[in-house]
Formats: sequence, C-alpha cells, structure tokens
Amino acid sequence: KAGVTQTPRYLIKTRGQQVTLSCSPISGHRSVSWYQQTPGQGLQFLFEYFSETQRNKGNFPGRFSGRQFSNSRSEMNVSTLELGDSALYLCASSLAGSSPYGYTFGSGTRLTVV
Amino acid sequence: EDKVVQSPLSLVVHEGDTVTLNCSYEVTNFRSLLWYKQEKKAPTFLFMLTSSGIEKKSGRLSSILDKKELFSILNITATQTGDSAIYLCGTGAGSYQLTFGKGTKLSVIP
Repeated sequence: KAGVTQTPRYLIKTRGQQVTLSCSPISGHRSVSWYQQTPGQGLQFLFEYFSETQRNKGNFPGRFSGRQFSNSRSEMNVSTLELGDSALYLCASSLAGSSPYGYTFGSGTRLTVV
Repeated sequence: EDKVVQSPLSLVVHEGDTVTLNCSYEVTNFRSLLWYKQEKKAPTFLFMLTSSGIEKKSGRLSSILDKKELFSILNITATQTGDSAIYLCGTGAGSYQLTFGKGTKLSVIP
C-alpha cells in the first residue's frame, strides 16, 4: 500500500514568486492536512481538507491557500513568497481527519526561498 | 488556544541509557495524544493514547497518558544509536487538526 506522496521533494524559489506543492494521500484516505515545520516553531497547522472542503485553517496569512480534488489529492499554494516561508511542508492523510484516528505523514517538500 | 509543551528540547545520552520524554498539554475537547518519531523528514507514528493510565508498549518504547494531570511520557529503554531522532508529541481535538509541541531532539552516542 503506497504511502503519502509529496512532490516535489525540494524547491528553491525567489522572494515574490509563488509556489504550488502537491500531496497524494493513502488510497482510501479522504482527509488531507498540511503542516509547516521550522526549527524555531516546530510543526504548525496550515489547513485540513475533507471531501474537497476546507474544514479548518491555521493562523497563517492569506498568501497560504489550498484545495482538494475529487480524488482526494491536495495542493497548497503560497503566493508572494517571503524568506520566512522557507520550511519543510508536510502533508498528512487520515481516514476521516478527526481524532482519534492517526495521521500518516509524507516525506515533505523542502522549500527554500532566496 | 491549544498548547503542547515538550521537554527537554534536546537530550544527549549514551547507548544503553533509559530516557523519558515529557509532553504536557492544554487542549480544549481533548480526544487523543499521539507520539511520532522524525528521523529525516516524514514523522512516523509511534503511539496514540486516548485513555488515562493505560500504557502502550512497542519493544523498547512505551508511553502513558495522565488525563487528570494533562501530560504524557515516552520512555525508551536500552537506547540505541538508531533511536536518535526528533520525537514529536501532538494532541487531537475536535477541530480536525493536530497541535504539536516543538519536539525533543534525542541524540544517542555510542
């Protein structure tokens, strides 16, 4: 059974550009969550999607957005990149997204903004 | 605002030592506490705890939850260099998100 797949693995962008990251969940999982991980802040919740609907959003500016497709694949977009957006972006999938179900994480996309 | 605090933030031990990692939380509508191990990129699932006082074990790792005092511990006995990683504690509530602490970086030296 394939795990959570994130693409690309690495990305270098320039300030002001925009970027789109992709996440394919485990087959049968309908919930996809996104997290930003930085050394100083740890893992911070970005948003969660279930059946193409955003059910929760973290405390990030509007430059961060996402969507989910009918096949449960999800994308997140960051516009007008800033140096502080450099981070590891992790996607996690679960059956339903609500506790106590566990989450399975992908390997992440390492974004570097220069 | 939900809050998870892990301690210590980093720890260096010798192979064979026993370590205890701590996680305290303040979460509205608490439903579960999860432990993950992150070696390179993808955090891998260790335990999910929902009931107080019931220890979960997997080999040399064990964890227990105290819902009255709002904390959990992760124990690793007879540590090995392969245990070197960041250990993440996260809590699940009813809001479709996990709230994580900053993690404990464990380094096991031969």
